[in-house]
Amino acid sequence: ETGVTQTPRHLVMGMTNKKSLKCEQHLGHNAMYWYKQSAKKPLELMFVYSLEERVENNSVPSRFSPECPNSSHLFLHLHTLQPEDSALYLCASSPQSRDGEETQYFGPGTRLLVL
Amino acid sequence: AQKVTQAQTEISVVEKEDVTLDCVYETRDTTYYLFWYKQPPSGELVFLIRRNSFDEQNEISGRYSWNFQKSTSSFNFTITASQVVDSAVYFCALRGYNQGGKLIFGQGTELSVKP
Repeated sequence: ETGVTQTPRHLVMGMTNKKSLKCEQHLGHNAMYWYKQSAKKPLELMFVYSLEERVENNSVPSRFSPECPNSSHLFLHLHTLQPEDSALYLCASSPQSRDGEETQYFGPGTRLLVL
Repeated sequence: AQKVTQAQTEISVVEKEDVTLDCVYETRDTTYYLFWYKQPPSGELVFLIRRNSFDEQNEISGRYSWNFQKSTSSFNFTITASQVVDSAVYFCALRGYNQGGKLIFGQGTELSVKP
């Protein structure tokens, strides 16, 4: 496979469930990102990992827990979510974040519905 | 503070019309980077272009062209002879120098091209 892949593409979960979103990049990048895209809102950066180290956490609630075991894989662990967490969750990767020039490439997203 | 404004929420055109999507940005950085992404109904953000603040040359790629004007803080995107496959949400984004992975997105413009 090429590019950035995300699984699952669709997820429905109850507020008491625990689930994980997976992202994999095949571009040789070493920075990875999670974004949240809600209806009628701009994309919101959630987390940034550079060389497997978390370098940014944009005041995201603790019910979202990221994990980056290596530079090709990124997970977002979900537990006790709220209905307002329903959104499209996008993963992106880029060469290591330096001065801001590098381009981020996005996966197709996981559309999450919390009931 | 950094901000991106895409004032046009929705645009509807008929196939073969030219259409311009507006993007206005705010930043105090003297070095910064501007991006355009396309999001078709499938959800994946597709990278279209990156422009550095010190390069004001306009760019043309097939039916796509971009007009970067620092004097008005604008980075507009024109599609010539639009096609139905151009229907998507288009996002303009900004990243300042040394801002790590922080891309600031506009609200997006939903373009609908009718046959």
